[in-house]
Amino acid sequence: DAKTTQPTSMDCAEGRAANLPCNHSTISGNEYVYWYRQIHSQGPQYIIHGLKNNETNEMASLIITEDRKSSTLILPHATLRDTAVYYCIVSAATNFGNEKLTFGTGTRLTIIP
Amino acid sequence: DAGVTQSPTHLIKTRGQHVTLRCSPISGHKSVSWYQQVLGQGPQFIFQYYEKEERGRGNFPDRFSARQFPNYSSELNVNALLLGDSALYLCASTYGTVNNSPLHFGNGTRLTVT
Repeated sequence: DAKTTQPTSMDCAEGRAANLPCNHSTISGNEYVYWYRQIHSQGPQYIIHGLKNNETNEMASLIITEDRKSSTLILPHATLRDTAVYYCIVSAATNFGNEKLTFGTGTRLTIIP
Repeated sequence: DAGVTQSPTHLIKTRGQHVTLRCSPISGHKSVSWYQQVLGQGPQFIFQYYEKEERGRGNFPDRFSARQFPNYSSELNVNALLLGDSALYLCASTYGTVNNSPLHFGNGTRLTVT
C-alpha cells in the first residue's frame, strides 16, 4: 500500500471548518483513500473513503485532487468532540474487503473552545 | 445496532502466561481482523479471518494465533507473553465480500503484561 504523510498536529477553533491534509504521492490506480479517527481510549472510527471523486457524508467531506496525490478531510463545523487523532490511509480493495490497513501516526487535531 | 464488541476490556497478565481475547463482529459481517496498538503508535495489522479461514497475517511471531467460529466471532491467542505485548488489541469487522467495504473497530482490550 502507498504511504501517506500527514502533519503531526493541528488546532482548529470550535465552530470553524477543520481541514486536514494528506499526501499520498505514490498512490496506485486501484487504491482508495480512507479516513479514520481515534478518540482517546477508543477504537478507530471510520469517517469516509473515496477513490477519485469527492465524497460527502454526515460526518465529513473528502476532497481528492485530480492527480490523486493528495486529499483533504473537511469537518465543516468542528466541535470539542472532534478532538482526536485522524488517520489517512491508502489501501487497495481485495476480494475480502479491506482488512489490512496500514496506519501511520496520524494528525492530532485539537479543537479549541 | 450493536457494534463490534470485545472482551475483556482490560486484562493484566504476567510474563510467560497465555491470554485469550474475544471479539463479536457486527451482525452480518463475516470478516474479522485483529490489530495491535502500542502506546503512541497507530494500530498494526495482526490477522484477518473470513469464513473461518485465515486470509492475511501481519509480521507477528508464531506466539500469536487466532481462529474464527461458525457464528463469525473470533479469538486471538497469545502464548508466552512478553512485556512488549502490552498494548491495546483491536478487533474490526467488515462484510468481507464487498470491495472497499470499510472496517468497523471495537474499543479494544487493554492488555498489560507485568
